[in-house]
Amino acid sequence: SAVISQKPSRDICQRGTSLTIQCQVDSQVTMMFWYRQQPGQSLTLIATANQGSEATYESGFVIDKFPISRPNLTFSTLTVSNMSPEDSSIYLCSVEGWGEVTGNTIYFGEGSWLTVV
Amino acid sequence: GNSVTQMEGPVTLSEEAFLTINCTYTATGYPSLFWYVQYPGEGLQLLLKATKADDKGSNKGFEATYRKETTSFHLEKGSVQVSDSAVYFCALMLTGGYQKVTFGTGTKLQVIP
Repeated sequence: SAVISQKPSRDICQRGTSLTIQCQVDSQVTMMFWYRQQPGQSLTLIATANQGSEATYESGFVIDKFPISRPNLTFSTLTVSNMSPEDSSIYLCSVEGWGEVTGNTIYFGEGSWLTVV
Repeated sequence: GNSVTQMEGPVTLSEEAFLTINCTYTATGYPSLFWYVQYPGEGLQLLLKATKADDKGSNKGFEATYRKETTSFHLEKGSVQVSDSAVYFCALMLTGGYQKVTFGTGTKLQVIP
């Protein structure tokens, strides 16, 4: 299995500011993924981050708004830029990992709960 | 494309009642199927999974069987507890290298004493 730590766990942010979320995994993984969960909604994939290359963004998400870094095989950051109240969401980091019992599985961090005021 | 459809919530049950949360899917290949649970104020946790037809995933008293003929993966539990109150997400991922995970909209379960 994979243990994923995210920071911050929660934050209240001012409109127009930017915040960087960190994701640390306890093992080396090829790809890391960032999701957004707006209040009361399901999860939407923002982008896929490969180590050593630019992130691949899903439709509706752009690098200027959500820049991502992936400096090594255990760490990634997502920045939410120029925040507005519509960015108030849970941001989740996820990885594909292997568990003896579960096999190939997708694991999630605890999420970073952002409120923009 | 791939999609997951879950029953609308919220679902409110009394403690010790039987739970079924319906999930059906469409996929262009042969997906692995998952149920994730999100407790209040927390992130997503894997509840159970199944990787091929007729597989049954089980964990913490919850079960779901991969039904290829009906493209379904319904979640069941024989006797729910207050501590099961959470949002449950059905999801699929195509096999053969990492593929994007497709989530259902989530079903909120509230169990009352």
